[in-house]
Amino acid sequence: KNEVEQSPQNLTAQEGEFITINCSYSVGISALHWLQQHPGGGIVSLFMLSSGKKKHGRLIATINIQEKHSSLHITASHPRDSAVYICAVSSARRGSRLTFGEGTQLTVNP
Amino acid sequence: EADIYQTPRYLVIGTGKKITLECSQTMGHDKMYWYQQDPGMELHLIHYSYGVNSTEKGDLSSESTVSRIRTEHFPLTLESARPSHTSQYLCASSESGFMFGLGSGNTIYFGEGSWLTVV
Repeated sequence: KNEVEQSPQNLTAQEGEFITINCSYSVGISALHWLQQHPGGGIVSLFMLSSGKKKHGRLIATINIQEKHSSLHITASHPRDSAVYICAVSSARRGSRLTFGEGTQLTVNP
Repeated sequence: EADIYQTPRYLVIGTGKKITLECSQTMGHDKMYWYQQDPGMELHLIHYSYGVNSTEKGDLSSESTVSRIRTEHFPLTLESARPSHTSQYLCASSESGFMFGLGSGNTIYFGEGSWLTVV
């Protein structure tokens, strides 16, 4: 069992839909990162969370430390949101090194 | 805007050639990382550094080597490339001052990646 699991693996939505991507982890963490990877490989760091909720534009990330769960929400989705979304955690046990989930491929159709 | 740069972005080389992938960051970050990612697969840490003259191997065994002579520069070298080295290589950096416990951790910045094809 992976230490970081994401669901769903693939997600197809229509433009305008509300999207949720989930991340569960099984280790104690110091921070959780949500990353976005577009075709061609470039990775952008969207959020770093250690508690609560963060919002940036149409993106919202939440984390529940007790339940070891985080969600990434996209409101009013757009085709340009199509990308792979990756959850990654850093833990005290592993220093600052990240453990990655397998990613969620999101496709938003016009 | 993150200032971390990788070169080359795309490279096709023959088997047995030596190749160095360059990574530079202008943010003064102590921590730098190299990840390897096959298409559609997870990222795997192959090397990391916590500062000048500090280099460690990561989770995935790699035949590459790295050096950290200057804070801003973290090159990765393959002495003799093989087709099995065909992959995307991503460089990343983060600030120092990592502390244990909640509320810690640093934002990680990624370069745009280097796509290596060995023929």
